[in-house]
Amino acid sequence: GENVEQHPSTLSVQEGDSAVIKCTYSDSASNYFPWYKQELGKRPQLIIDIRSNVGEKKDQRIAVTLNKTAKHFSLHITETQPEDSAVYFCAASKDNAGNMLTFGGGTRLMVKP
Amino acid sequence: DVKVTQSSRYLVKRTGEKVFLECVQDMDHENMFWYRQDPGLGLRLIYFSYDVKMKEKGDIPEGYSVSREKKERFSLILESASTNQTSMYLCASALRGGSAFFGQGTRLTVV
Repeated sequence: GENVEQHPSTLSVQEGDSAVIKCTYSDSASNYFPWYKQELGKRPQLIIDIRSNVGEKKDQRIAVTLNKTAKHFSLHITETQPEDSAVYFCAASKDNAGNMLTFGGGTRLMVKP
Repeated sequence: DVKVTQSSRYLVKRTGEKVFLECVQDMDHENMFWYRQDPGLGLRLIYFSYDVKMKEKGDIPEGYSVSREKKERFSLILESASTNQTSMYLCASALRGGSAFFGQGTRLTVV
């Protein structure tokens, strides 16, 4: 089955700096890669996703890149703000949609003011 | 706005008890899922359902069962709760071909 590894497990940055979280996946058939943000005590919320026919996608301060050959994808957050502090999860699925997701272990991002 | 609602935020149950976790979604989604969330392990799929009365095992189904009698409701059942089932349980729903939306989670403690 699919295996998704996520690094780092914790990340501390200064407000205004950039943050990068990386994930690798094992199944070359995976074709949908969402990122979820989970604030303390709240539900995971989808923040951005990318499909395998696209190499990069951007939404304001967040962007995701995908390297299918290397089987890795990354989340980039620029100009970080304290409200970006949360646990971020990457995931992968083979059905080109948010079903049957395999999640990474999560990254706790702390943005220091 | 999609709403996925789990019946309890916190539950404390005794070892050996039968436990029901309920999840309801109001967006007519075909697919529903139960995950458990443990530190460092991310979210792991227990069971999912792609239609009423249909269910499929996920990655860690042992010790759990599910029920989907109505499209909007998906129940997770722990037949005989054990301490290693202490965890955060998250329900999610999705349209076929759509993104998954999560409930707020149920933190279950088995003592």
